[in-house]
Amino acid sequence: GESVGLHLPTLSVQEGDNSIINCAYSNSASDYFIWYKQESGKGPQFIIDIRSNMDKRQGQRVTVLLNKTVKHLSLQIAATQPGDSAVYFCAENMDYGGSQGNLIFGKGTKLSVKP
Amino acid sequence: DGGITQSPKYLFRKEGQNVTLSCEQNLNHDAMYWYRQDPGQGLRLIYYSQIVNDFQKGDIAEGYSVSREKKESFPLTVTSAQKNPTAFYLCASSMMAGASSGNTIYFGEGSWLTVV
Repeated sequence: GESVGLHLPTLSVQEGDNSIINCAYSNSASDYFIWYKQESGKGPQFIIDIRSNMDKRQGQRVTVLLNKTVKHLSLQIAATQPGDSAVYFCAENMDYGGSQGNLIFGKGTKLSVKP
Repeated sequence: DGGITQSPKYLFRKEGQNVTLSCEQNLNHDAMYWYRQDPGQGLRLIYYSQIVNDFQKGDIAEGYSVSREKKESFPLTVTSAQKNPTAFYLCASSMMAGASSGNTIYFGEGSWLTVV
């Protein structure tokens, strides 16, 4: 079946290093992808998104890369800070067949930043 | 403050009881959503509403009900038919239905429901 999944469930990095969080998706019809950050006990916060007609998009300290050939999405965080510690989810939009609004979420990667 | 407000933050339910989770948004968004999150898991869609007086079932609608009588409000009722209701519930909204560039789905802070 179609799914969004993550390669690494946990990631520990040193403060100041760059972080890379990976995500695999299997639905080639998905045309929009989002990364969310969720701190403990809180709702997900939008970080960055990318459409399928792009392969890279940059934000403030974050970059999302999309490789449609291998159906892979990654989130790069530059100069990781303790405040970046959270669970990061990728999500894809499967907006077809009447399933409007149905974002499909991966299970998440927990990022821990060591001071 | 603009945003999505969920209440209560923590709720305890006895078996056999119905409970209602509140979700209010002042973002003037047409679309609203309810997701369920279990520990260590991603989010699963329960119900969504594209516009007032309309709502559609998501992937796990059994045992839940919603209403959308006002644009800003989308309450979720967890009925006694939901056999495993203990979870973190997240309400979300967007300008229009369906996530896309320029139509971000924003989330509230969530409500914890525990069956006792």
